[in-house]
Amino acid sequence: GAVVSQHPSRVICKSGTSVKIECRSLDFQATTMFWYRQFPKKSLMLMATSNEGSKATYEQGVEKDKFLINHASLTLSTLTVTSAHPEDSSFYICSAREVRGQGAEQFFGPGTRLTVL
Amino acid sequence: GDSVTQMEGPVTLSEEAFLTINCTYTATGYPSLFWYVQYPGEGLQLLLKATKADDKGSNKGFEATYRKETTSFHLEKGSVQVSDSAVYFCAAGNQGGKLIFGQGTELSVKP
Repeated sequence: GAVVSQHPSRVICKSGTSVKIECRSLDFQATTMFWYRQFPKKSLMLMATSNEGSKATYEQGVEKDKFLINHASLTLSTLTVTSAHPEDSSFYICSAREVRGQGAEQFFGPGTRLTVL
Repeated sequence: GDSVTQMEGPVTLSEEAFLTINCTYTATGYPSLFWYVQYPGEGLQLLLKATKADDKGSNKGFEATYRKETTSFHLEKGSVQVSDSAVYFCAAGNQGGKLIFGQGTELSVKP
């Protein structure tokens, strides 16, 4: 199946710094990518929909100025957590949507563990 | 808004036992329904899906039927293996690919 990578897999940063997470579709082009946040023992919460060449669409309650999303190419979307604080510590997961003929399928990255000290 | 509810875990079974993980949804319109599996240390993988009422998705011995009348998509497997130990997520999706996930059910299968 199609492969989606995330980098880094794990990052530890100091409070107040910004962190960038990359999501790449390795063997297909994705006009749409999604960013999720997963809390321990909890479900995935959709944060935003990232469309190539246009602004991201954020879910209610997600601060767009804090979680900056850029989807500059058909294979790369980035999530930047600006001025990170300990409450931003979480597991961030991206997915990329591959359109195939009449249908589409979503492929998930392995996730990035962010710890803010 | 749309939501997905699945049974609480963790679920612990002996090898070769029958598995059911319940999932119900509320949604406007007719969503596609999915089961994803997350093995330890790995990303989510699509297990099976159904796109319309009465469709049955199946894969690796798992199956689930899209029941519009009960708004359910319960996951079943007749005989689980130790290698099935993972977290299972039910999800509902719209045409644009946006997915709403249930809270996940951790399954542990003992030899």
